[in-house]
Amino acid sequence: GAGVSQSPSNKVTEKGKDVELRCDPISGHTALYWYRQRLGQGLEFLIYFQGNSAPDKSGLPSDRFSAERTGESVSTLTIQRTQQEDSAVYLCASSSGLAGLNTQYFGPGTRLTVL
Amino acid sequence: AQSVTQLGSHVSVSEGALVLLRCNYSSSVPPYLFWYVQYPNQGLQLLLKYTTGATLVKGINGFEAEFKKSETSFHLTKPSAHMSDAAEYFCAVTSGSGNTGKLIFGQGTTLQVKP
Repeated sequence: GAGVSQSPSNKVTEKGKDVELRCDPISGHTALYWYRQRLGQGLEFLIYFQGNSAPDKSGLPSDRFSAERTGESVSTLTIQRTQQEDSAVYLCASSSGLAGLNTQYFGPGTRLTVL
Repeated sequence: AQSVTQLGSHVSVSEGALVLLRCNYSSSVPPYLFWYVQYPNQGLQLLLKYTTGATLVKGINGFEAEFKKSETSFHLTKPSAHMSDAAEYFCAVTSGSGNTGKLIFGQGTTLQVKP
């Protein structure tokens, strides 16, 4: 079956521009996560959605970052007024429930380059 | 707060040799532990996970890991390295109860396999 998909695969933007990154989770997965992987570093948690519950935004690095999810489907991560330090691979993952027991399945990521 | 430390950002072994990738964690609650692998130009893939029960966990591609609570470790091993094992490996932790399941990752270890 289809896995997690993300678009675009690559995005180059100029400093100060806004960008939108899209994630399509596996159908039926109620939980959706965004992570960021900066060069030479591990993955950092950004935000988590679970069904209709309020999202856990504790990992968002600044108020320039926001994310939305429509029901249990597509999610969009928006970065406003991009900065060079935002350059990273942004990964989306989904799972069928609380991921303590349920495996998170990762998408291929969006590579964001801010010039 | 939870954290993960992977000792050695780069590990090099010869084909056929033992692979040992080290991971230590910090957690104030019983942890769930994961190893993910990221092959070049591919997304993250789950190798194995420990939640409860048997402390020696077997995963895909001949990898296994042992949860040692007394040492707060979850080292990844494979008896005989194969060229196809060359990749980046990430250890991650989450807690199983009352949380969102967000994963806290280590910095990653790049495994090089020499012929």
